[in-house]
Amino acid sequence: DTGVSQDPRHKITKRGQNVTFRCDPISEHNRLYWYRQTLGQGPEFLTYFQNEAQLEKSRLLSDRFSAERPKGSFSTLEIQRTEQGDSAMYLCASSYVRGNTGELFFGEGSRLTVL
Amino acid sequence: DAKTTQPTSMDCAEGRAANLPCNHSTISGNEYVYWYRQIHSQGPQYIIHGLKNNETNEMASLIITEDRKSSTLILPHATLRDTAVYYCIVNQRGGSNYKLTFGKGTLLTVNP
Repeated sequence: DTGVSQDPRHKITKRGQNVTFRCDPISEHNRLYWYRQTLGQGPEFLTYFQNEAQLEKSRLLSDRFSAERPKGSFSTLEIQRTEQGDSAMYLCASSYVRGNTGELFFGEGSRLTVL
Repeated sequence: DAKTTQPTSMDCAEGRAANLPCNHSTISGNEYVYWYRQIHSQGPQYIIHGLKNNETNEMASLIITEDRKSSTLILPHATLRDTAVYYCIVNQRGGSNYKLTFGKGTLLTVNP
C-alpha cells in the first residue's frame, strides 16, 4: 500500500511522559500536514510542511509540541510532558502542490491516551 | 475561509440516494467546495470538489446552486459502508492555502 502511514496507531502513556509519532507521506508528495481530532469534533489543523520547511503552525501547537520533517520525507510530531488534554487522534496528511486539486490524503491516525 | 453549516445527522435507507446539504452563504468567488468523509476510526477521505459547475465522479455527485451559497452531495445508491461523518469544506484551491478547516460534519447512517 502506498498511502500515508502513521506509527504507532495507538499509544497509551502516563501524564508527564514524552511521546513521538511518525508519519510517512505518499512518496511524491511535497506537502505534509498534522491535524488533531478529539471525540465528536472535526480534525483541527496543527501545522504543515512544504518539503522540509515548516510553513505554518496553529496556535493550538503549544511549546510542548514540536514537529520536524528533516529531509522532506517522513515527519515526526513530538509531545513533551504530556497532559490529559493531549488525548486525541493525531492525523497526518500529504499532498502534492503543483497541478494538484487541493486534495489531501490522510493516514489512519495515531490515537493518544494520556492517563 | 468561509464557514459552512451542515445538519448534525441524517439517515438513509440502503440502496436509496443520500442527499447531504451544506450552506456556505459567505463563500467568496475563488473558494471551492470540498467534501470529505470519515468512516469510524479512519482518517478523512476526499470525495469530490467543485467551484460552480456540478461535478460527478465514481463516488458521488456535487450540486452547487447558481448563487454558490449552498451545495448538495449526492450518493446515488447508498450502502452500509457509506455510513460516516461527511464534511463540507470551503477552501481556496492552489497557492499557499491548502489548509482545510473542518467543522463537525453530518453523521450519515445508512440503514439496512
